[in-house]
Amino acid sequence: DADVTQTPRNRITKTGKRIMLECSQTKGHDRMYWYRQDPGLGLRLIYYSFDVKDINKGEISDGYSVSRQAQAKFSLSLESAIPNQTALYFCATSDPLSEQFFGPGTRLTVL
Amino acid sequence: QKEVEQDPGPLSVPEGAIVSLNCTYSNSAFQYFMWYRQYSRKGPELLMYTYSSGNKEDGRFTAQVDKSSKYISLFIRDSQPSDSATYLCAMSNAGGTSYGKLTFGQGTILTVHP
Repeated sequence: DADVTQTPRNRITKTGKRIMLECSQTKGHDRMYWYRQDPGLGLRLIYYSFDVKDINKGEISDGYSVSRQAQAKFSLSLESAIPNQTALYFCATSDPLSEQFFGPGTRLTVL
Repeated sequence: QKEVEQDPGPLSVPEGAIVSLNCTYSNSAFQYFMWYRQYSRKGPELLMYTYSSGNKEDGRFTAQVDKSSKYISLFIRDSQPSDSATYLCAMSNAGGTSYGKLTFGQGTILTVHP
């Protein structure tokens, strides 16, 4: 089984809808991250969490919120989706002495 | 200006060629440098990691860092079709841990054709 899983893998939604992307990990890491990837822009950090009680905004947090339900689970929500949030979303995990391990990604389309 | 700029590509090379991928950065606080490889429809995976100026080799891959010029490179020797992927440079500052927040370049799409 994959160490970092993301659900759903693909999602099409409409402008104004609330959606949640979920991430689970079995690596036992304390740190979890949400990124979005757009062509020509690389990966940009949305939110990160260094432990269950520590959540921080990244470079592009406007329009997004997160919830760290447990050490292994970190969810990203779009409260009211808009078309420019169409992107590939990645969850990642790490501990202080390891690289970041990425999930397979969620392809989100907002119509 | 972005903190990390990566040559956008795309690059298309014949099998066996030497490939050079490059990034420049503006933030002097960056002390840790990584190259990630991302295959189509997959998440990025770490390829190389270094924290000092100079060269680091791993098989056909060499990571080069020049902190004085704020420039990093990844060289791929004897490139193979299986090297076709997007390559992303990433950097982290010296505050906190080396594996804290990462700042990524835009990515370069590489295609190695037989």
